[in-house]
Amino acid sequence: GAGVSQSPRYKVAKRGQDVALRCDPISGHVSLFWYQQALGQGPEFLTYFQNEAQLDKSGLPSDRFFAERPEGSVSTLKIQRTQQEDSAVYLCASSPQVGGNQPQHFGDGTRLSIL
Amino acid sequence: DAKTTQPTSMDCAEGRAANLPCNHSTISGNEYVYWYRQIHSQGPQYIIHGLKNNETNEMASLIITEDRKSSTLILPHATLRDTAVYYCIVRVAAGAGSYQLTFGKGTKLSVIP
Repeated sequence: GAGVSQSPRYKVAKRGQDVALRCDPISGHVSLFWYQQALGQGPEFLTYFQNEAQLDKSGLPSDRFFAERPEGSVSTLKIQRTQQEDSAVYLCASSPQVGGNQPQHFGDGTRLSIL
Repeated sequence: DAKTTQPTSMDCAEGRAANLPCNHSTISGNEYVYWYRQIHSQGPQYIIHGLKNNETNEMASLIITEDRKSSTLILPHATLRDTAVYYCIVRVAAGAGSYQLTFGKGTKLSVIP
């Protein structure tokens, strides 16, 4: 498809397990963002990539959260030793350029539930 | 990025125009106004953005006041499918930083049959 694709759509894990969430951005998009959305709240920024370089990870809540984009296209958000407070929707967005005024385009997210 | 203020919720009759206000009184000269909406269980959908001129596309119109301290998103003929949370966001277009979007709580628009 032409949009941002995220998988899995839903993920259930037990507390303490590691999880990996995948994002396929729109082809050719340079910028990639991850956001976390708690129930009833707006999305909150986690981290930003420009091609393969992670330029901003100021929003990652702890060192259990790790993101990568090794070839400058697909990105993976990994959460180690999951906790119940990690339960949220994780959204990925991409945009075609660095800076400028081009909008970000979002996927439909991965809903993560930690039991 | 400048903070925005939006009403918590609004109702609109189906077929009528929906006018969603946003206050951004501390906006800087190089910050754009973006509107997104989020329908239940979906990711945010881009609607429109502008700097200082009014903008129109196939989805909506954006009216920005001359002093740029507020704006209004207009959905000309609301349908039930327009029921969603609408986010007004201001963001710098160039310069240092990663250009992330800072979402507030948005306005929950309910289109009534």
